[in-house]
Amino acid sequence: GESVGLHLPTLSVQEGDNSIINCAYSNSASDYFIWYKQESGKGPQFIIDIRSNMDKRQGQRVTVLLNKTVKHLSLQIAATQPGDSAVYFCAENTEGGSYIPTFGRGTSLIVHP
Amino acid sequence: ETGVTQSPTHLIKTRGQQVTLRCSSQSGHNTVSWYQQALGQGPQFIFQYYREEENGRGNFPPRFSGLQFPNYSSELNVNALELDDSALYLCASSRRFSGGGETQYFGPGTRLLVL
Repeated sequence: GESVGLHLPTLSVQEGDNSIINCAYSNSASDYFIWYKQESGKGPQFIIDIRSNMDKRQGQRVTVLLNKTVKHLSLQIAATQPGDSAVYFCAENTEGGSYIPTFGRGTSLIVHP
Repeated sequence: ETGVTQSPTHLIKTRGQQVTLRCSSQSGHNTVSWYQQALGQGPQFIFQYYREEENGRGNFPPRFSGLQFPNYSSELNVNALELDDSALYLCASSRRFSGGGETQYFGPGTRLLVL
């Protein structure tokens, strides 16, 4: 079946560095992608989204890049801070009228002070 | 904070019992989705409710059932609890509109432990 997955399960960076979290998807019909951040003991928190008609979208300290040719999604976090330490999930929305995101396993980001 | 609340925060049950989890959606949202998240895994979709009707279901047995009320709050019921039902149960609300995707906002979850 088609799925969403992440390349790296754990990413360790130093405070101040830029972080890049990658995600591969296999459903070429997916048209909406979302990045979530989940801190320990909390529910996933929306970070940023992007539609398939866009290649790049920027938020505050975060940028999402979408490469539809290779079905790849990335989340870039600038000047990573200890508060960014969390598990990051990418999710793709299924087709049709019901928007039901499919989550991958997640990448754990560890920021060292 | 997302404005989505869930109760209770933690719950301990024994195998075979039944449980009801509750969710209040964010103001203005008309869709509620429920997810099960096992430790170290991503959320797995259980089902979604839109305007009080089930609007999609994941690969979960019928003993997982739900309701959405006129005020768009929701319940998740699980009968005949099994040990593997131990997980974090997440509720997410969203506002459906034509022609676009809908961002889901998650509550803090209910941690269920089945002994």
